[in-house]
This record gives sequence, C-alpha cells and structure tokens, in this order.
Amino acid sequence: GQQVMQIPQYQHVQEGEDFTTYCNSSTTLSNIQWYKQRPGGHPVFLIQLVKSGEVKKQKRLTFQFGEAKKNSSLHITATQTTDVGTYFCAGVGAGSYQLTFGKGTKLSVIP
Amino acid sequence: EAGVAQSPRYKIIEKRQSVAFWCNPISGHATLYWYQQILGQGPKLLIQFQNNGVVDDSQLPKDRFSAERLKGVDSTLKIQPAKLEDSAVYLCASSLGGGPNTGELFFGEGSRLTVL
Repeated sequence: GQQVMQIPQYQHVQEGEDFTTYCNSSTTLSNIQWYKQRPGGHPVFLIQLVKSGEVKKQKRLTFQFGEAKKNSSLHITATQTTDVGTYFCAGVGAGSYQLTFGKGTKLSVIP
Repeated sequence: EAGVAQSPRYKIIEKRQSVAFWCNPISGHATLYWYQQILGQGPKLLIQFQNNGVVDDSQLPKDRFSAERLKGVDSTLKIQPAKLEDSAVYLCASSLGGGPNTGELFFGEGSRLTVL
C-alpha cells in the first residue's frame, strides 16, 4: 500500500531559527495536504497542494509540491513559540481515495 | 458553525470488553472518516464513508471493528472485543467533498481509549 515518510521525526530549534520538514511518498500523489497538531489537540488543516511544482505561502510558512508529485516540504521562517506542535503531511495516491498520513515531525521551539 | 462532535472524550475498558464511539460531522459534509492515532504516530485511516456508503475500509480490522453511518449523517465505531493494542485516540473527521480531491478534513477532538 501507499506509504508516506516524513523526516526528521523531531526538530528542536531556537526561537527565530528556520525549520523545514520533508515528506516523501512511495507512489505518485494526486494531491498532498499539511496539518498541524498541537500537544493534546487534534490535527488542523494548513494547506492542500495539487499541481506539480506548486509553491504556496502563508505568512512565514512556505509549502512546496515536487515536480514528480512524490515529495513535498514545509518551511517555517523565523520560528516562534506558537509554532510548537507536530506537522503532518498527508497524501492521496493517484487513483485512490485514501488520505494517508506520515508519522509527523514534532517541532520544539526554545525561547 | 459547529464543528465535528465526538463522544465520549475518554474511555477506559478492560481487554475483551466492547466500546462504541459516536461522531456527528459538520452539517452538509458528505464524507466522514474514522482515523486511529496511536501515541507518537500519524493518524491511520480505518474507514471512509461518502454519504452512507463505504468508500474505503481496507485497514479496518473487521474481525473486531465495525462502523456504520446510518442516514448518511452521524456515525458509530464499535470495537468488540478490545485488545491492548487498540489503546489510541479515535479521530472522526468530515469533509465537504468526496473522491480523491476531498479538500480540507475537519477533525473532532477525538475519543481517547485506554484498554487495560
């Protein structure tokens, strides 16, 4: 079945430093979504990418979808303590209906 | 707009007992999902409904798990008998669309199950 891998599993950064998490799929994706889960909370949708090579920005967050539609990344510029949480990518395989989540990257921000 | 409602929030049972979780999606959302999230892992899809039909239940352990979505609105997930490895948070989510491009999934607060 489809697998979605994320690296790194954990990331500790000083407040103000940048952060990047990477997502790779074993199969071509029709689209990819990113979610954020705060400690003790539930996943909250951040963005969906559909087109090959697509880049979207939300304030300090930049999302990219690879040209081959098998990988994606989330970059946060100048992290803040409010960015703390686990970031998940989730992809739908081509021809599939199933949204498969990666294991997530847990971000800690040291003030 | 009301979000996805789930109950109970917490449940503690002994192995081999049964448990049921309830979910009421956002009004008008066609697609409803049940995910299992074990501590430290990403959500794993158990079952996906579009209206009252099952779209995907390939990862549902059908010997012990069952789910239904009567009338295409709310849904119940049942586990019988429970095993220790079923300890997890059971997340219900809904989306407006269906098919491969579902758009945003809205998650409920989850039901945390502990099996002793």
